[in-house]
Amino acid sequence: DAGVTQSPTHLIKTRGQQVTLRCSPKSGHDTVSWYQQALGQGPQFIFQYYEEEERQRGNFPDRFSGHQFPNYSSELNVNALLLGDSALYLCASSLGGQAEAFFGQGTRLTVV
Amino acid sequence: AQSVTQLDSQVPVFEEAPVELRCNYSSSVSVYLFWYVQYPNQGLQLLLKYLSGSTLVKGINGFEAEFNKSQTSFHLRKPSVHISDTAEYFCAVIRGGGNKLTFGTGTQLKVEL
Repeated sequence: DAGVTQSPTHLIKTRGQQVTLRCSPKSGHDTVSWYQQALGQGPQFIFQYYEEEERQRGNFPDRFSGHQFPNYSSELNVNALLLGDSALYLCASSLGGQAEAFFGQGTRLTVV
Repeated sequence: AQSVTQLDSQVPVFEEAPVELRCNYSSSVSVYLFWYVQYPNQGLQLLLKYLSGSTLVKGINGFEAEFNKSQTSFHLRKPSVHISDTAEYFCAVIRGGGNKLTFGTGTQLKVEL
């Protein structure tokens, strides 16, 4: 079981650019959540996808959008990048309504 | 709204000593409670969880936590720490019936020889 996998592991972008991060959930899981973890902080919930639809959203601007594919993998897109978007982006997967979530290793995004 | 407070940002402790990492939450409804560990440059690993039942929960690596509803606390304990326990520890809650995790700001546990 490969667990939750995220790609890429690191990337550097320039202010104003757009970025796409990818996540493959743990085998058998159908729900994907995305979190942003700024340096020295706890993760903050961005949104959650289930059955290819956004089920819940945190307090993030519309520049943050996502998608879930039929195979349950997911993408996080961020437009018009700001310096403040620099963070570790974590993907977590779970099964339906179960509370336990499994996290990937994260993608470290640096905006310069 | 719910929030999670981790009272200590850093906890230094000598190897083989006991440790307690404190976590308090605020919620007017039932909650599920979790402790996660994060090693440098890695994601989060679940240590233990409280969903219902016994208030004393045992997790991996010898950690345990006790759910105290009257004090709205979920403190993490280990009777004897090891150098390899050095990491960041996060307490998190899910509001009963909800789906999103709300995390505390983390406690850096540093185990010294």
